[in-house]
Parts: sequence; C-alpha cells; structure tokens
Amino acid sequence: EVQLVESGGDLVQPGGSLRLSCVASGFAFNKYWVTWLRQAPGKGLEWVANINGDGSDTRYVDSVKGRFTISRDNAKNSFYLQMSSLRGEDTAVYYCARDEGWGRLGYWGQGALVIVSS
Amino acid sequence: DIVMTQTPLSLSVTPGQPASISCKSSQSLLHSNGKTYLHWFLQKSGQSPQLLIYEVSSRFSGVPDRFSGSGSGTDFTLKISRVEAEDVGVYYCMQGIQSQTFGQGTRVEFK
Repeated sequence: EVQLVESGGDLVQPGGSLRLSCVASGFAFNKYWVTWLRQAPGKGLEWVANINGDGSDTRYVDSVKGRFTISRDNAKNSFYLQMSSLRGEDTAVYYCARDEGWGRLGYWGQGALVIVSS
Repeated sequence: DIVMTQTPLSLSVTPGQPASISCKSSQSLLHSNGKTYLHWFLQKSGQSPQLLIYEVSSRFSGVPDRFSGSGSGTDFTLKISRVEAEDVGVYYCMQGIQSQTFGQGTRVEFK
C-alpha cells in the first residue's frame, strides 16, 4: 500500500525557518517525482515545488523561489521542504504527493499545518 | 502561467441527479506527445485531495464509474451521472503540462 506521511508542521515566527518531511512507503520511491503543495486556510490548492527521482531536477512556484528548497534522500524514502524567510502568506496546510507523471497526483499525505505568526 | 477557471464555483445538487463542472484553461493542455494533461481532484471535508480523473477522461484506481471526464484543448468537463452523499466536497481541475496550477474549486453540496 502506498503511503506518504508528513511531519514537521509548527508555529514559526515571520522570518523564521522550518523543515517539513515526508516519508514514503509501498512503492519504488526513487522512480517517482514527488511534490509539495499547500492550501491556505479556507483557500484552494497551490503547487509549491517538485523534484525528480534522483534529485537532479527541482522546480518551484515563483512565490517561494529563493526561500524554499526541496530535496530528497532515496536511502530513507524521504523528501523534504526546507522553508526559510517565512511570511504570513506561507501559512497553510502543506501536502506531499507522489506524481505519476505530468501532475497525476495519485497519492497524498495527510497534511502538515504551518502557521507563520508572531 | 496557465490560468485555470472553473464554473460554477458552487453547485447545489439533488441526490441521485446528475451534476457537471466546467474547467477552462488559458492555454491548450495538449502536449506534442498527443496527451492532454488535465486532471480532476475531489477534496472532502477535513481530508486530503484525492485524484478522480487523469488526462481528461481516465478514472483513477477505485473511482466509481459515475464520474466521467471529457473535453479537449482548453475546455473540459467533469460529470457525475448520479450524485451520492459521498460525492459532496470541493472539486478541482488541475493542469500538469506547465508546472501545475489548479482551478479555484467548485463546492458541491446537497440541496
């Protein structure tokens, strides 16, 4: 069974940093692109970043470029979102997902809440 | 950036009746490989989104056949042949041809 489990959500002050983790199981992790998305309170879904199977290709939405870094550790079946210079508008539930290809996000984690507030 | 526009934003349906949601993209989602990268998701209250339809019309594993997708180029439609209680939630279309962007979401509820 494919599973994705996020962790690391927390309350953080503006300008602060936080790292989210997503542990995958039930599939050949290194064969897939994986993705971070987010959903601000009461709002819709926003793609944040993704990374290919061997970690050589990463992509970001413009609003997080230079502040967020996506990475993966295939030996640990895990991928990460390092967030820095956090702003109030980064407050959201962050989801990890497996990309079957071209945005076919077939499996999602349960979400991790990040609150940026003083 | 590709903009996805859904209509309506809210839909009140009668159980057992059909429902339809439209999604339009600002650019064609047809790739040179012949595939069209338009997907549909449902987010039920308090849950993570779930994939319903991928590449316009293919149902994801376990998705009931009352859900169907159609369309081409820039115009797409999700149809539910007979809405059931478990279908209530917010539906999103999403394009995957150029990064990934979602529509605003369509909230489906019972009358």
